Amino acid sequence: NAGVMQNPRHLVRRRGQEARLRCSPMKGHSHVYWYRQLPEEGLKFMVYLQKENIIDESGMPKERFSAEFPKEGPSILRIQQVVRGDSAAYFCASSEGQSNTEAFFGQGTRLTVV
Amino acid sequence: DQQVKQNSPSLSVQEGRISILNCDYTNSMFDYFLWYKKYPAEGPTFLISISSIKDKNEDGRFTVFLNKSAKHLSLHIVPSQPGDSAVYFCAVPFSGGYNKLIFGAGTRLAVHP
Repeated sequence: NAGVMQNPRHLVRRRGQEARLRCSPMKGHSHVYWYRQLPEEGLKFMVYLQKENIIDESGMPKERFSAEFPKEGPSILRIQQVVRGDSAAYFCASSEGQSNTEAFFGQGTRLTVV
Repeated sequence: DQQVKQNSPSLSVQEGRISILNCDYTNSMFDYFLWYKKYPAEGPTFLISISSIKDKNEDGRFTVFLNKSAKHLSLHIVPSQPGDSAVYFCAVPFSGGYNKLIFGAGTRLAVHP
């Protein structure tokens, strides 16, 4: 029973390129959350998705960032035209339900923008 | 505007002694609190939680205490073991969403022999 799988584990992009981060939730989980952790800070909520729907994107930057969770396949966090300030660890979590169910985190993708 | 604060970035404790990690929050409406543990290059894992209707919750070596009047919670680890060395985050759910969490900045615990 695999846990939450994120890939790649490490991603290096040049300024201006696009970054795509993938998250496969645990089997049976239909709720996905993305968090970002900047150096020496806690995790910051970005977006909450259910299958094919964005439920809450209040933590997403207004520009360049988007997320999807299609009916088939992993959830994708896309960052267009990356800048140095996007360098961070991005964590995905999944849960079986919306409330009163534990969320399990993946190992994260460490994005470095050079 | 930090709603959840962990003011000690690091803590060093000798094996076998007690580790006490602290967390302060600003919003008296918060009613559920969680602690997560994170090893390097891994995601956070849930450790223990407490509801605001309680002032203590215990799970093995881990106990969380909640002081609502002071808006303060603490995690006690007794006895501390080297494998406890990790970063510990306290977290609070946003209103309306259990897994939409506000995290503190974390405290790095080092347990040395």
